[in-house]
Amino acid sequence: SAVISQKPSRDICQRGTSLTIQCQVDSQVTMMFWYRQQPGQSLTLIATANQGSEATYESGFVIDKFPISRPNLTFSTLTVSNMSPEDSSIYLCSVVGGSTDTQYFGPGTRLTVL
Amino acid sequence: QKEVEQDPGPLSVPEGAIVSLNCTYSNSAFQYFMWYRQYSRKGPELLMYTYSSGNKEDGRFTAQVDKSSKYISLFIRDSQPSDSATYLCAMSYNDYKLSFGAGTTVTVRA
Repeated sequence: SAVISQKPSRDICQRGTSLTIQCQVDSQVTMMFWYRQQPGQSLTLIATANQGSEATYESGFVIDKFPISRPNLTFSTLTVSNMSPEDSSIYLCSVVGGSTDTQYFGPGTRLTVL
Repeated sequence: QKEVEQDPGPLSVPEGAIVSLNCTYSNSAFQYFMWYRQYSRKGPELLMYTYSSGNKEDGRFTAQVDKSSKYISLFIRDSQPSDSATYLCAMSYNDYKLSFGAGTTVTVRA
């Protein structure tokens, strides 16, 4: 399985600011995704990070709020823009690729917005 | 109605008991079924992956899929305190986008 790291692991931010979360994989992967896990809830897919092109967003998520980059096959970033307390969540990246088509998750970034 | 329904529990069992976890789903287009384990403050860890009806066994874990009833299960035999975690069912079409259940929190008492 791929080894996935995320930075930062946690952060506390002020309302109205933005935070960029990084996801790094130790091998090239075909697909990368970003999920949100709000307190007490399950994971919800935000978007598919496409290498070299704009991300594909799920219903309810927009590029202005969650811009995503994927410059190569091992790295992606998710920015949470103009944050409000409702954005307090765990943000996780996941990858598909390598020798299997199963999906693996990073450790997550725990975000608290005050 | 959510696409994937999972009883959030919590579920508390004594060590050595069999843990039974279930999910139902409404979309018959789902083809792939997974169970993830998530420890507190960690990312989900893949436990079982299957794409056909029937049983799949891996050590103490058995995953069961019944596509006709739109029902999946995970059984943990001889449960250990280290099995205490939240268990998430997940499923997808053929595009790798996962739809998750709410997760069931399991505590195995020593």
